[in-house]
Amino acid sequence: KAGVTQTPRYLIKTRGQQVTLSCSPISGHRSVSWYQQTPGQGLQFLFEYFSETQRNKGNFPGRFSGRQFSNSRSEMNVSTLELGDSALYLCASSRGQGHGETQYFGPGTRLLVL
Amino acid sequence: DQQVKQNSPSLSVQEGRISILNCDYTNSMFDYFLWYKKYPAEGPTFLISISSIKDKNEDGRFTVFLNKSAKHLSLHIVPSQPGDSAVYFCAAKVSGNTPLVFGKGTRLSVIA
Repeated sequence: KAGVTQTPRYLIKTRGQQVTLSCSPISGHRSVSWYQQTPGQGLQFLFEYFSETQRNKGNFPGRFSGRQFSNSRSEMNVSTLELGDSALYLCASSRGQGHGETQYFGPGTRLLVL
Repeated sequence: DQQVKQNSPSLSVQEGRISILNCDYTNSMFDYFLWYKKYPAEGPTFLISISSIKDKNEDGRFTVFLNKSAKHLSLHIVPSQPGDSAVYFCAAKVSGNTPLVFGKGTRLSVIA
C-alpha cells in the first residue's frame, strides 16, 4: 500500500508570495491533517480535513488555508509569505474514525522563504 | 500553554543499554497517546501507542508505560541500537475527532 505523498518536497519563495502544497493520503483514508514543524517548536497543528470539510483548526492566522477534494487529496495554501513561515510542512492521513486511530505522515515539504 | 512536554531535548545512550524517553501532559482529558520517531528529511514514523485504559503496551524492543495519576508516559527501548538514533515525539489526543497534540521532541543518540 502506498504511503502518504507530498509535493513538492522542497520550495523556495520570497516574502509576499503565496504557495500551495499538495498531499495525497493513503488509499482509503478520508482524514488529512496538516502540521508545521519549526526548529525547537515540535509539530504545530494547522488544520484537519475530513470528507472535504474542515473538521478541526489550529491557532494559525487566516493566511493559512486548505481544502480537500473528493478523492481525499488535500492542498494547503499560504498567502503573503513571511520569513517566519519557513518550516517543514507535514501532512498526515488516517481513516478519520476517531478514537484509537493512528495518523501516518508523509515526508514533508520544506519551505524556505527569503 | 504547552499541553505535552518532553523536558529532555536530547539523550545519549550506549548501544545495548536501555533508552528511556519521558513525556508529561497537563490535559487530563487526553486518553490516547502515541510515540513517533523522526529521521532528518523524513516525516515522523509511528512507533507505538497506548490507550488510557492500559498502563503498559509492548511491541518488540519498544514499551510504553502510562501513569495517569502522574500524567506521565515513557518510552523504553531495549536494547538500544545505533539505528534508533532519531528525534522521538510524544503525542496525545482526546477521544473523538480531535487533533493530535505533540511535544517538542527528544533527540536520541545511540553510541556504538
